[in-house]
Amino acid sequence: GESVGLHLPTLSVQEGDNSIINCAYSNSASDYFIWYKQESGKGPQFIIDIRSNMDKRQGQRVTVLLNKTVKHLSLQIAATQPGDSAVYFCAETNYGGSQGNLIFGKGTKLSVKP
Amino acid sequence: GAVVSQHPSRVICKSGTSVKIECRSLDFQATTMFWYRQFPKKSLMLMATSNEGSKATYEQGVEKDKFLINHASLTLSTLTVTSAHPEDSSFYICSAPTGETQYFGPGTRLLVL
Repeated sequence: GESVGLHLPTLSVQEGDNSIINCAYSNSASDYFIWYKQESGKGPQFIIDIRSNMDKRQGQRVTVLLNKTVKHLSLQIAATQPGDSAVYFCAETNYGGSQGNLIFGKGTKLSVKP
Repeated sequence: GAVVSQHPSRVICKSGTSVKIECRSLDFQATTMFWYRQFPKKSLMLMATSNEGSKATYEQGVEKDKFLINHASLTLSTLTVTSAHPEDSSFYICSAPTGETQYFGPGTRLLVL
């Protein structure tokens, strides 16, 4: 399940199950969103992005859903694997893409149980 | 995806010394690069925007004389932590945009003793 405390929220899932990581973004003017995966001691790794004129985008084993009405973003990972264990951050920008700085969410730690 | 490198990956220094961290875009050019700082179990916080050919733009609360940024070329930005103190110990990460996406370096772990 999901827990929130003094540290990062943690989501624990069984290997093979689907994972859903949620993010509430702050700026209603944001028009571009990215999900990053960060493993311990490494920089964030791009997973998938979505523009505000879309509400869903699919990649390999991952799907991002965008609900602008409630300013909510989610990342779905199908058939979660141990290698998916990491901290996942959503990021937003209102500069239409790569030229503006990103505002990061707090992050969610995904733990995959074998 | 595009590749961004950082050097060094880890550095330990004495209090009062200066440390330079390099960020390179390896297979693309970037007129803008970003420097972030990350504390344990926390999210990334933008420190400054590095602009090739002009001064860096610093976020509120970030001392520009403390964190010197130089965007020397279209593939290189450097962050120098001057007169480092233990509270400057952190994970420093740079990013560079290409196309629609920003790509991040692997980060530099700074420990100030």
